[in-house]
Amino acid sequence: NAGVTQTPKFRVLKTGQSMTLLCAQDMNHEYMYWYRQDPGMGLRLIHYSVGEGTTAKGEVPDGYNVSRLKKQNFLLGLESAAPSQTSVYFCASSSAGGGTYEQYFGPGTRLTVT
Amino acid sequence: KQEVTQIPAALSVPEGENLVLNCSFTDSAIYNLQWFRQDPGKGLTSLLLIQSSQREQTSGRLNASLDKSSGRSTLYIAASQPGDSATYLCAVKGGTALIFGKGTTLSVSS
Repeated sequence: NAGVTQTPKFRVLKTGQSMTLLCAQDMNHEYMYWYRQDPGMGLRLIHYSVGEGTTAKGEVPDGYNVSRLKKQNFLLGLESAAPSQTSVYFCASSSAGGGTYEQYFGPGTRLTVT
Repeated sequence: KQEVTQIPAALSVPEGENLVLNCSFTDSAIYNLQWFRQDPGKGLTSLLLIQSSQREQTSGRLNASLDKSSGRSTLYIAASQPGDSATYLCAVKGGTALIFGKGTTLSVSS
């Protein structure tokens, strides 16, 4: 049981390049989330999904797209990377959305855009 | 808009001390509150989850309390150890997502 895994762990992009971050969970969770963590800002929600085939915007969705084609995977895409997207990206999952359900986090992807 | 504040931002204590980390939030309409630990360069590890109907949760040397009406939570760490050195994050769940504080960075010296 690996929990929540993220690929890649590190990436350096040039401005304007595109990339996709992959999140996978093996806990059969319905809900999945993408957060970014920036110094002095805390973690902020980018997008989330409440089930296979669904996605919704979070607090800071601009410049990102997501897809949830399979229940266990949640992809975060950057179509045209900007230096402001330099951050650490965390994926999380939970079995449902109610108050009794913990969110479990992956190890993070450290992205630098030059 | 929900805001979560953690005080202090940093804390240094000698090994063996009992300590309290504070978390406050502005909107009491929450489903739960989670405390996480984050080691440098690592992901988040969930320590304790307190549902809105609960007052406290305990796990080993950790005890977390929740006073929803006053918008406060505390994380009590007993008999601190150097291995407790990390950043501790508080997060509240009011809707789908967690709203995080900026964390308290704890350093325990031997």
